[in-house]
Amino acid sequence: AQKITQTQPGMFVQEKEAVTLDCTYDTSDPSYGLFWYKQPSSGEMIFLIYQGSYDQQNATEGRYSLNFQKARKSANLVISASQLGDSAMYFCAMRGGNTGGFKTIFGAGTRLFVKA
Amino acid sequence: GAGVSQTPSNKVTEKGKYVELRCDPISGHTALYWYRQSLGQGPEFLIYFQGTGAADDSGLPNDRFFAVRPEGSVSTLKIQRTERGDSAVYLCASSSQPTGASRAFFGQGTRLTVV
Repeated sequence: AQKITQTQPGMFVQEKEAVTLDCTYDTSDPSYGLFWYKQPSSGEMIFLIYQGSYDQQNATEGRYSLNFQKARKSANLVISASQLGDSAMYFCAMRGGNTGGFKTIFGAGTRLFVKA
Repeated sequence: GAGVSQTPSNKVTEKGKYVELRCDPISGHTALYWYRQSLGQGPEFLIYFQGTGAADDSGLPNDRFFAVRPEGSVSTLKIQRTERGDSAVYLCASSSQPTGASRAFFGQGTRLTVV
């Protein structure tokens, strides 16, 4: 069975500092995709970054980077130069392959607080 | 359409009533997902459509929940005999294909309150 685990219910970071949000996953599929989404208080789900299981390099999108450690089955999100607007819920998600039925499942989320 | 549209945005219903929640995916997107999100939780997978067929309905909590997508575009999530525990935000998402880097685009959700 597929599973996503986010062990940090809440995180605090000082504005302009970097922060790492943890995500571990479990799947038996050799091919899968990992996603991070941001959900501000407005409720919309905003796509941040994607990492494919066969990608050789860690994904980066602006201030977001994904620290992908395949052997450890971890896909941590790194946000550099935090901004007040980064305060939100962050969800790690995984889409499985044939075994997982291609559905996307989400972790419980981490609430990030950026302090001025 | 430009984005995923969900109607209504809010629905208040009495316990025991039947409700329908509608999702209009992005035009041309073949994959459609329904999730349920309770306050402070991550989206919980309910059902996934590929085209007209339900490819995976393993997340539907019981037989009171049912979803259809008859023409491979608009989908309706149907809940019979609603219970207070069904209160949540129901999110719909679509993607152009179910594999690769094709990410899911989410609607704004329908907030269902059962009183």
